[in-house]
Amino acid sequence: DAGVTQSPTHLIKTRGQHVTLRCSPISGHKSVSWYQQVLGQGPQFIFQYYEKEERGRGNFPDRFSARQFPNYSSELNVNALLLGDSALYLCASSYNAGNTIYFGEGSWLTVV
Amino acid sequence: GIQVEQSPPDLILQEGANSTLRCNFSDSVNNLQWFHQNPWGQLINLFYIPSGTKQNGRLSATTVATERYSLLYISSSQTTDSGVYFCAVGSNTGNQFYFGTGTSLTVIP
Repeated sequence: DAGVTQSPTHLIKTRGQHVTLRCSPISGHKSVSWYQQVLGQGPQFIFQYYEKEERGRGNFPDRFSARQFPNYSSELNVNALLLGDSALYLCASSYNAGNTIYFGEGSWLTVV
Repeated sequence: GIQVEQSPPDLILQEGANSTLRCNFSDSVNNLQWFHQNPWGQLINLFYIPSGTKQNGRLSATTVATERYSLLYISSSQTTDSGVYFCAVGSNTGNQFYFGTGTSLTVIP
């Protein structure tokens, strides 16, 4: 079975631009979470979606938004990019909230 | 939120040596996982261990929930064990995980 898949794997954006990151969970998993990992730190929670509803939001500005689609895939959107948004963005899926989570390979975002 | 502290921050081992990584957390938890992050950034599940002890080959983990700590043991280390090891604890609502800052392990041949 395919694991969690994310796209794109690498991208470079200019300050002020917008970015959309995509995630497909493991088949049968209904919960998707997004994390941001900057160099030298552990991942920081951004959002969790379960059954297409937002169930948790971390301490990130409103420039960050996400949604989950009927097929349980998810998008993370970041508007008005700042240099500090440069990071590895990780998507995780689980069967439901509180279960073991599995991560994708991540999307490396560089803002210049 | 839950505070998670990992120690040591960095560890260098000779191939074949054993090591113990520690994770302390500030609140009671229902979910705790250990991950290995490879050089390409992917987080690989090692253990789901909210309490008790588990073993998987050369790796084993123990969580003492009442004392709020977890230990990851690596025996007979290999160069492929290099990378960063993270402990992540789940909130009681189950909707997010709190990560420590990791232990960076380098195994030299």
